[in-house]
Amino acid sequence: RKEVEQDPGPFNVPEGATVAFNCTYSNSASQSFFWYRQDCRKEPKLLMSVYSSGNEDGRFTAQLNRASQYISLLIRDSKLSDSATYLCVVIGRGSTLGRLYFGRGTQLTVWP
Amino acid sequence: GAGVSQSPSNKVTEKGKDVELRCDPISGHTALYWYRQRLGQGLEFLIYFQGNSAPDKSGLPSDRFSAERTGESVSTLTIQRTQQEDSAVYLCASSVSGTEQYFGPGTRLTVT
Repeated sequence: RKEVEQDPGPFNVPEGATVAFNCTYSNSASQSFFWYRQDCRKEPKLLMSVYSSGNEDGRFTAQLNRASQYISLLIRDSKLSDSATYLCVVIGRGSTLGRLYFGRGTQLTVWP
Repeated sequence: GAGVSQSPSNKVTEKGKDVELRCDPISGHTALYWYRQRLGQGLEFLIYFQGNSAPDKSGLPSDRFSAERTGESVSTLTIQRTQQEDSAVYLCASSVSGTEQYFGPGTRLTVT
């Protein structure tokens, strides 16, 4: 089983739509979680950290469910500029302390 | 401040030649990572350096691949006897241990 699994999509939504991505992780000891965004032919960039209590940054909301080992990202009022691949990231624990595990990514296209 | 830098940005080489890719991490970042990303694919972990600890080499695909890091500064990834399947973008990232990573722009390697 992979450390981090994501629905690859693609998700195609109109401007203004709300879209949610999900991610599951296999290591119950994992403590730190992030969402990254990767534009076509560019490097991944940190979008937001995911905190236990859930956190919001403008139109973006991240949630963590430790019991189900599940992370989500909600994007409200989608913009054309949100079109990208969204990567779920988990920091390993134990023998892999500090190593980050990346999901394959979920592709989002927002159309006018 | 300065981000992660990588050089060269593009490299075209003939099959069988050796190549060396360079990464300059963010100053003060103790952890450094190398990834490979083939066109349209997810990130593939290669190697992870953390301070003076032995590197985690578990992602290196063959003994043609090696990497070194001098202290907490520059790292070089060397690919010997390059093959066409080595063609990819090679991404370097750095972090303060156990936290989010910051990526360089990558080196696009093409093996002809």
